[in-house]
Amino acid sequence: DAMVIQNPRYQVTQFGKPVTLSCSQTLNHNVMYWYQQKSSQAPKLLFHYYDKDFNNEADTPDNFQSRRPNTSFCFLDIRSPGLGDAAMYLCATSRGTSGSNEQFFGPGTRLTVL
Amino acid sequence: GQNIDQPTEMTATEGAIVQINCTYQTSGFNGLFWYQQHAGEAPTFLSYNVLDGLEEKGRFSSFLSRSKGYSYLLLKELQMKDSASYLCAAMDSNYQLIWGAGTKLIIKP
Repeated sequence: DAMVIQNPRYQVTQFGKPVTLSCSQTLNHNVMYWYQQKSSQAPKLLFHYYDKDFNNEADTPDNFQSRRPNTSFCFLDIRSPGLGDAAMYLCATSRGTSGSNEQFFGPGTRLTVL
Repeated sequence: GQNIDQPTEMTATEGAIVQINCTYQTSGFNGLFWYQQHAGEAPTFLSYNVLDGLEEKGRFSSFLSRSKGYSYLLLKELQMKDSASYLCAAMDSNYQLIWGAGTKLIIKP
């Protein structure tokens, strides 16, 4: 089945220790997104790629970086995690960015910062 | 600014009907999405409306009024598995999704 896969599902890190979250897709979609979602809040878009074109949201902290080495994979690097970065991180894909292009989400990685 | 408003929480009875409302203010408009999100899981797509009117899909229907900046999601014949958060998201003129915080729907037997 075509899908969006995120690893790991649960990640525990220490304050200030870099962490990398990964996402892969078998849908062959052009667009990949990274969202941060805290409990009972709206998903917050961090980045998106249209193919290799990188788009950084204006209010995404410099502490967050992203890489998309090929169509299938995308990584989220948190350089120095703080307690406020504990959240669910959702990867999503879509065929395009316009109109009816729904986003398909992976299961998420829940990040805990100790 | 751009904004989505939806109720924080609603309660309904198994077998009944519930309507979840959403109002939006965006710079331009390219459609409105509804997603379902069970606790601790990823959102899953339910519906997309870009034209005024009602779209029916099984037990779920979604309505849009562009002139009023208003949408609702209608769930019929509620089942316990429908207990989840329902997220409304409007697409602006730059094709960015503006997300609501979600409405937590609690179904009671």
